[in-house]
Amino acid sequence: DAGITQSPRHKVTETGTPVTLRCHQTENHRYMYWYRQDPGHGLRLIHYSYGVKDTDKGEVSDGYSVSRSKTEDFLLTLESATSSQTSVYFCAISPQEYQPQHFGDGTRLSIL
Amino acid sequence: GQQLNQSPQSMFIQEGEDVSMNCTSSSIFNTWLWYKQDPGEGPVLLIALYKAGELTSNGRLTAQFGTTRKDSFLNISASIPSDVGIYFCAGQLRNFGAGKSTFGDGTTLTVKP
Repeated sequence: DAGITQSPRHKVTETGTPVTLRCHQTENHRYMYWYRQDPGHGLRLIHYSYGVKDTDKGEVSDGYSVSRSKTEDFLLTLESATSSQTSVYFCAISPQEYQPQHFGDGTRLSIL
Repeated sequence: GQQLNQSPQSMFIQEGEDVSMNCTSSSIFNTWLWYKQDPGEGPVLLIALYKAGELTSNGRLTAQFGTTRKDSFLNISASIPSDVGIYFCAGQLRNFGAGKSTFGDGTTLTVKP
């Protein structure tokens, strides 16, 4: 494994509640990414980080925010969860800008 | 944004058969990546390709970076039951920035013993 831990692994919550997912890495990699995966779809990029406190939006960033206060942790927050955000969320890391990304085992999030 | 067309969407094969799948794009990429995802787990990198025309093997897996830079192919020889899973292609282009990747929708492989 690439030293990536996602927490929690499963979460069920209600519409309108805030949710924070955590990605923790032990590889000291600079780049970190959050993706969502929905049935029949590949992985779609939500947000990414290219260093501590350096983040930017991906293709499906609406309704999500991120923070990276230290190299090893990248947090994804749903400020007010909606049912359309029910998905499996994956964190990925990469040491250099154009090296392949390595993925965590995902968080399955259900919003009722 | 960039779109990758991955085909076939699913495959049902007999153990021992060879498998071929591909990914095409309307735009070029600098890097092609192939991942496999088992149920309940994250994608795992199988092969990375960095040059047009490059052919790379990893055990029974062989992948090629198309000469037009707009496609890539993955072959699995003599399939076994543990090959079951979803295979994803991904492309990277340097002017995307920050190593962002575009992913195909995946090929689901089922191997019958």
